[in-house]
Amino acid sequence: AQSVTQLDSQVPVFEEAPVELRCNYSSSVSVYLFWYVQYPNQGLQLLLKYLSGSTLVKGINGFEAEFNKSQTSFHLRKPSVHISDTAEYFCAVTLSNDYKLSFGAGTTVTVRA
Amino acid sequence: DTEVTQTPKHLVMGMTNKKSLKCEQHMGHRAMYWYKQKAKKPPELMFVYSYEKLSINESVPSRFSPECPNSSLLNLHLHALQPEDSALYLCASSRGGSGTVTDTQYFGPGTRLTVL
Repeated sequence: AQSVTQLDSQVPVFEEAPVELRCNYSSSVSVYLFWYVQYPNQGLQLLLKYLSGSTLVKGINGFEAEFNKSQTSFHLRKPSVHISDTAEYFCAVTLSNDYKLSFGAGTTVTVRA
Repeated sequence: DTEVTQTPKHLVMGMTNKKSLKCEQHMGHRAMYWYKQKAKKPPELMFVYSYEKLSINESVPSRFSPECPNSSLLNLHLHALQPEDSALYLCASSRGGSGTVTDTQYFGPGTRLTVL
């Protein structure tokens, strides 16, 4: 079975500073990886996904992530954050032909002026 | 259009009440999901419907009863809930079908349920 570990539960960051959210997964087979964002009192919104191909994936709102098979990681980055990026971020993994998304515990990003 | 809608936004119910949560999508998706999310936790999968048939039931108590009346609608019927069932209930959909199961799940805004 696959699992996801988000290494940071809380990440405080100043506005216009870069941010990196770490995600590691464990699986003995090929996986598909996602980052979702949840703003306060809202549902989940897809930021980006890796299914195959280029290991550097660009998403919405200036986010990008790099799939590293040897490190079993899928870290999310943004070079310059805004106050509006304050939210909960979830890394998720699924297997081929599997409906089940396994979510990490989440990382709370708080952006301060 | 990647919108999944859910009604109501908020619901307060007593332990003896019967209520229903509704979810709708018009993206032609054939897989629909119910998740439960407690505060500060990730979503937990409850049910998956594929082509209007129940595909996955994650050992959810029978006081939660899902229904998929057609390819666009998904309901969750609630009866005799407990206070610990209070949570955000999220609906999601994806294209579904052979070869596309790993496609993106699109989430609705959720229904915040409080059981008194």
